Amino acid sequence: AQSVTQLDSHVSVSEGTPVLLRCNYSSSYSPSLFWYVQHPNKGLQLLLKYTSAATLVKGINGFEAEFKKSETSFHLTKPSAHMSDAAEYFCVVRDNYGQNFVFGPGTRLSVLP
Amino acid sequence: GAVVSQHPSRVICKSGTSVKIECRSLDFQATTMFWYRQFPKQSLMLMATSNEGSKATYEQGVEKDKFLINHASLTLSTLTVTSAHPEDSSFYICSAASGSTLNTEAFFGQGTRLTVV
Repeated sequence: AQSVTQLDSHVSVSEGTPVLLRCNYSSSYSPSLFWYVQHPNKGLQLLLKYTSAATLVKGINGFEAEFKKSETSFHLTKPSAHMSDAAEYFCVVRDNYGQNFVFGPGTRLSVLP
Repeated sequence: GAVVSQHPSRVICKSGTSVKIECRSLDFQATTMFWYRQFPKQSLMLMATSNEGSKATYEQGVEKDKFLINHASLTLSTLTVTSAHPEDSSFYICSAASGSTLNTEAFFGQGTRLTVV
């Protein structure tokens, strides 16, 4: 079975400083991994995805994530936080059979002026 | 990216009535659609997975007779909350995927805020 752990339920950074949102997964096989962002009372928007190509994945809005198989991690980073980045972020793994998307518990990012 | 439209965005209904939520893929054929429920400040909980033309597969603990899912076409799935009660109040989100290969992402609707009074 797949599972996703997001180690921080809440991360707070100052505007202009780097962002690191941590994600670890468990999977029997090479998974597909995704990061989604959700603004309050909104649906989810895909930031980026890893699908066994390049291990460093670049997404929208300056976000990127690196797949590290040895650490079973897929941490999300951004060099410089913007106020509009404040939202809930979900790390997601897709299971071996290509059906369900398994969500992590989410990390709420706050950006302070 | 592809667009998934979910309607209505908000609905208030009386206890005991039924509510239907629609999820449409506007520019692609969704072979698989997923329905999620999200409680405040929590992650998405998968309720059921539906493939076009077949019965939905419900997650453990989700009442299939209460949450009726229909996926009659490749662009439309509906979730009907039957005999709604206040505890059914929640944020419901659908998503659609165009294939079952691992590199296919899911596209999400805007969500429906259901309030049962």
